[in-house]
Amino acid sequence: GENVEQHPSTLSVQEGDSAVIKCTYSDSASNYFPWYKQELGKRPQLIIDIRSNVGEKKDQRIAVTLNKTAKHFSLHITETQPEDSAVYFCAASNAPSSGTYKYIFGTGTRLKVLA
Amino acid sequence: GAVVSQHPSWVICKSGTSVKIECRSLDFQATTMFWYRQFPKQSLMLMATSNEGSKATYEQGVEKDKFLINHASLTLSTLTVTSAHPEDSSFYICSARRPSTGNSNQPQHFGDGTRLSIL
Repeated sequence: GENVEQHPSTLSVQEGDSAVIKCTYSDSASNYFPWYKQELGKRPQLIIDIRSNVGEKKDQRIAVTLNKTAKHFSLHITETQPEDSAVYFCAASNAPSSGTYKYIFGTGTRLKVLA
Repeated sequence: GAVVSQHPSWVICKSGTSVKIECRSLDFQATTMFWYRQFPKQSLMLMATSNEGSKATYEQGVEKDKFLINHASLTLSTLTVTSAHPEDSSFYICSARRPSTGNSNQPQHFGDGTRLSIL
């Protein structure tokens, strides 16, 4: 089955700097890669996603890149702000024969933006 | 605003009690919902996929008789933790996915989670 690895587990950056979180996946059939932000005790919220037919996607300060050949994808946050501090999870999802799309989540990255 | 509502948000009960958690899709009909368990400072582990009108699909290692799932309508799935024990204490989160268009995967929207504490 699918396995998703995420690095780093913790990341501290100065306000205004960039943050990069990387994930690798094992199943070449995976075709959808969402990123979620989870603040302490709250629901995971979708911040950006990318499909396998696209190499890069950007939404204001957030961007995601996908390298299908290497089976890895990354989250890039530019001009970080204290409110970006949270745990970020990547996930991989495929389209199995049963038609049920499941997420396999990475282990999470705790991002701390220092003011 | 939230598109998935989960209730209750916090439960404290005695060992041996059964606890029911509800997950409602507010803005769309969800033929598929998902139940996750999250331990402190850890990732979300998929427990089961809830399918409207049919049996849930459980992940390996998850006891179906322990964690009963009922998806009786297109907007409601319930998870019942039967005869709960302290080791069942955890954060349980549900999600719902909008119906796919063609072969396109759609994002999952999560509920607020239920913190379950068994004494």
